[in-house]
Amino acid sequence: DSGVTQTPKHLITATGQRVTLRCSPRSGDLSVYWYQQSLDQGLQFLIQYYNGEERAKGNILERFSAQQFPDLHSELNLSSLELGDSALYFCASSLGGLAGRGDEQFFGPGTRLTVL
Amino acid sequence: DAKTTQPPSMDCAEGRAANLPCNHSTISGNEYVYWYRQIHSQGPQYIIHGLKNNETNEMASLIITEDRKSSTLILPHATLRDTAVYYCIVRPSTSGTYKYIFGTGTRLKVLA
Repeated sequence: DSGVTQTPKHLITATGQRVTLRCSPRSGDLSVYWYQQSLDQGLQFLIQYYNGEERAKGNILERFSAQQFPDLHSELNLSSLELGDSALYFCASSLGGLAGRGDEQFFGPGTRLTVL
Repeated sequence: DAKTTQPPSMDCAEGRAANLPCNHSTISGNEYVYWYRQIHSQGPQYIIHGLKNNETNEMASLIITEDRKSSTLILPHATLRDTAVYYCIVRPSTSGTYKYIFGTGTRLKVLA
């Protein structure tokens, strides 16, 4: 158990819909990261937040957005869903320090999103 | 951003050492090498990281060449539970960004 929780575990929805995925980081971690893993794309970094502020952006679509709240939990919002958005979505957290010093990421169990 | 190259797959006999290589020939002087693994569809698990010295923890050892252009993750006594995809990652040091770029990894199969 990494200490990172994600809800829901599974989500099935239809094209065009909007969903929200939730992540609670490990106690004391200030950074939250979101990743998407689909069968043909591998693990893709989406976005990182540090103490409520966006720090780094990866291959995140404009239809997707995220935020980190004052209690440090984070939500990933996916809208106008398409079939290709079906994937595992992972959240990770870290202390948020400099590279090599407490920056190892701890991953949650993931949310499996299926878009029909 | 430094990129990494790993063999797509490897087999290892149970109880033997598994040596997983990674090439990161464009690594910068202040970039760290991290290793993670993913068992089936579980969330990736941190294993070890290093800068230039060899590192060891309860899970594995990390050997980084003197020129830092490659590294090897060593699982000293592989078990069936070590079957997983292993990712070697170089952490970009661009100011303010902390992107992890996962490649395709090495699929390690530990054989009974």
